[in-house]
Amino acid sequence: QQQVKQSPQSLIVQKGGISIINCAYENTAFDYFPWYQQFPGKGPALLIAIRPDVSEKKEGRFTISFNKSAKQFSLHIMDSQPGDSATYFCAAALTSGSRLTFGEGTQLTVNP
Amino acid sequence: DTGVSQNPRHKITKRGQNVTFRCDPISEHNRLYWYRQTLGQGPEFLTYFQNEAQLEKSRLLSDRFSAERPKGSFSTLEIQRTEQGDSAMYLCASSPIRGYSYNEQFFGPGTRLTVL
Repeated sequence: QQQVKQSPQSLIVQKGGISIINCAYENTAFDYFPWYQQFPGKGPALLIAIRPDVSEKKEGRFTISFNKSAKQFSLHIMDSQPGDSATYFCAAALTSGSRLTFGEGTQLTVNP
Repeated sequence: DTGVSQNPRHKITKRGQNVTFRCDPISEHNRLYWYRQTLGQGPEFLTYFQNEAQLEKSRLLSDRFSAERPKGSFSTLEIQRTEQGDSAMYLCASSPIRGYSYNEQFFGPGTRLTVL
């Protein structure tokens, strides 16, 4: 009930392309869905987050799409850049501020 | 730098030894979290504090693990009688409970533990 499943495990995109990472969750009580970016040797950094009362949130090149009925959400990175190459984690929490349950991560490589 | 800081950044120890890690959260952040991350996996929750009170502990936090936040500021995570399976990155995060970043968790760089 607490799992968050993330796919794909790895993704290679050309510069300027769109990167799409998907997550699915089981627990319908989850109420907060952040995405984190992690570079090697660094801690995860919050990118963008959404709550289930909206279906989409956009911040710059990053967009979260949320489908409450399907219990799925996804991260879209528009105009992907080599500097976006990192590991991305989706997460979910019962409320913002409570424990985060993370997906397994997606290693994104953006080729120049 | 006013981010979350963790010390040491790396720790190598022999099986059976005790280790202690320290986390200094962002100033005035009331909540402090500990997570563990193994290679190729997402972070797993261990425990969290609001001020000095430990509000939740994961089943992952065995009797060999103890965390404290005595004055509601920095926190320590101690692992007694370390085992090779304890090798991981130990991440600390903090969050405010009011303001613009309300309840967002900000992570430190982690302490990488290697148990030989």
